[in-house]
Amino acid sequence: EVQLLESGGGLVQPGGSLRLSCAASGFIFSDYAMSWVRQAPGKGLEWVSTIRVSAGSTYYANSVKGRFTISRDNSRNTLYLQMNSLRAEDTALYYCTTQNFDYWGLGTLVTVSS
Amino acid sequence: DVVMTQSPLSLPVTLGQPASISCKSSQSLVYSNGDTYLYWLHQRPGQSPRRLMSKVSNRDSGVPDRFNGSGSGTDFTLKISRVEAEDVGVYYCMQGTHWPPYTFGQGTKLEIK
Repeated sequence: EVQLLESGGGLVQPGGSLRLSCAASGFIFSDYAMSWVRQAPGKGLEWVSTIRVSAGSTYYANSVKGRFTISRDNSRNTLYLQMNSLRAEDTALYYCTTQNFDYWGLGTLVTVSS
Repeated sequence: DVVMTQSPLSLPVTLGQPASISCKSSQSLVYSNGDTYLYWLHQRPGQSPRRLMSKVSNRDSGVPDRFNGSGSGTDFTLKISRVEAEDVGVYYCMQGTHWPPYTFGQGTKLEIK
C-alpha cells in the first residue's frame, strides 16, 4: 500500500524558514518523480514544485522560485521541501504527491504569521 | 501558462440524479505523443485530494463506473450518472501536458440538494 507522510510544518514568522519532509513507502520511490502541491485555507490547489527521478531536474512555480528548494534522498525514500524567505501568502496545507498525482499524503500545515 | 476554467463552480444535485462538470483549457492539451494529460481529482471535506481519472477518461482503481470522463483538445467533461452521498466535495481538473507549471481548475463544489 502506497503511503506518503508529510511532516515539518508549523508556525513561522515572515522571512523565516522551514523544511518539509515526505516519507514514502509501498512503492519504489527512486523510480518516480515527486511533487509538492499546496492549498491555502479555503482555496484551491496550487502546484509548487516537482523533482524528477534524477535529482538534477527540478521545477518550481514562479511564486516560489528562488525561495524554495525541492530535493530527495532515494536511500531514505524521502522527499524534502526547503522553504526560505517565507511570506504570509505561503500559508497553506502542503501535500506530497507522486508522479501523475495518483497518490497524495495527508498534508502538513505551514502558517506564516507574526 | 495554461489556464483551466471549470463550470459550474457550485453544483447542487439531488441524490440519484446525474451531474456534469465542464473543464476548458486555454490551449490544446494534446501532447506530442498523441496523449492528452488531463486529470480529474476529487477532494472530500477535510480530506486529501484523490485522483479519479487520468488521460481524460481512464478511471483509477476503485473509482465507480458511474464516473465518466470525456473530451478532447480544450474541452473536457466529468459526468456522474447517478450522484451518491459520498460524491460530495470539490472536483478539480488539472493539466499535465504543458508543464511546468501544472495547472488546476478553480474547483467545482458538489453538494446534495
